[in-house]
Amino acid sequence: EAGVVQSPRYKIIEKKQPVAFWCNPISGHNTLYWYRQNLGQGPELLIRYENEEAVDDSQLPKDRFSAERLKGVDSTLKIQPAELGDSAVYLCASSLVLSGSNEQFFGPGTRLTVL
Amino acid sequence: GESVGLHLPTLSVQEGDNSIINCAYSNSASDYFIWYKQESGKGPQFIIDIRSNMDKRQGQRVTVLLNKTVKHLSLQIAATQPGDSAVYFCAERQGAQKLVFGQGTRLTINP
Repeated sequence: EAGVVQSPRYKIIEKKQPVAFWCNPISGHNTLYWYRQNLGQGPELLIRYENEEAVDDSQLPKDRFSAERLKGVDSTLKIQPAELGDSAVYLCASSLVLSGSNEQFFGPGTRLTVL
Repeated sequence: GESVGLHLPTLSVQEGDNSIINCAYSNSASDYFIWYKQESGKGPQFIIDIRSNMDKRQGQRVTVLLNKTVKHLSLQIAATQPGDSAVYFCAERQGAQKLVFGQGTRLTINP
């Protein structure tokens, strides 16, 4: 079974430029998460989707970040414009939410460097 | 919000020895905890979980202990191998499907 797929794996951009990340979750998983992981830190949730609905975006900086999950499968996360402080690894995860289950499967992440 | 923390940022053990990684949490209402392993260049990988109605759970070479009295969680890895070298995170469930991660402990296995 294929895991969570993310692209690109690495991205280097100059500040003020836009950037987009793509995620394909595990087939059949209804819940999708985007996390940001700063160097030496644990992942921090940005947004959670249940099917195509964003049910928790309280940590998403909405002035420059946006996300979508059309058709409840793939998702994209966009930053426009990027700032130096956005340099981090952006992780996508998915899960099949069943009663009591919370196992999230993570992709390899996209490492963003903003110069 | 409340946070999950780890006692030590790094841990070094000899190959074959047992290792113990600790985690302190602050939300006494948390009912579910997970340990993740993250190797360089990869996303976190689920190791083991435990619910608050348990105080111990065992997996293959790993054991998680939960002490709700002092809000402490630990991960024990038996007979460590070079492949166990990674950063280990504890995570606490806060609300439906929201995980809050600690900062991580880097485990290094010496030959």
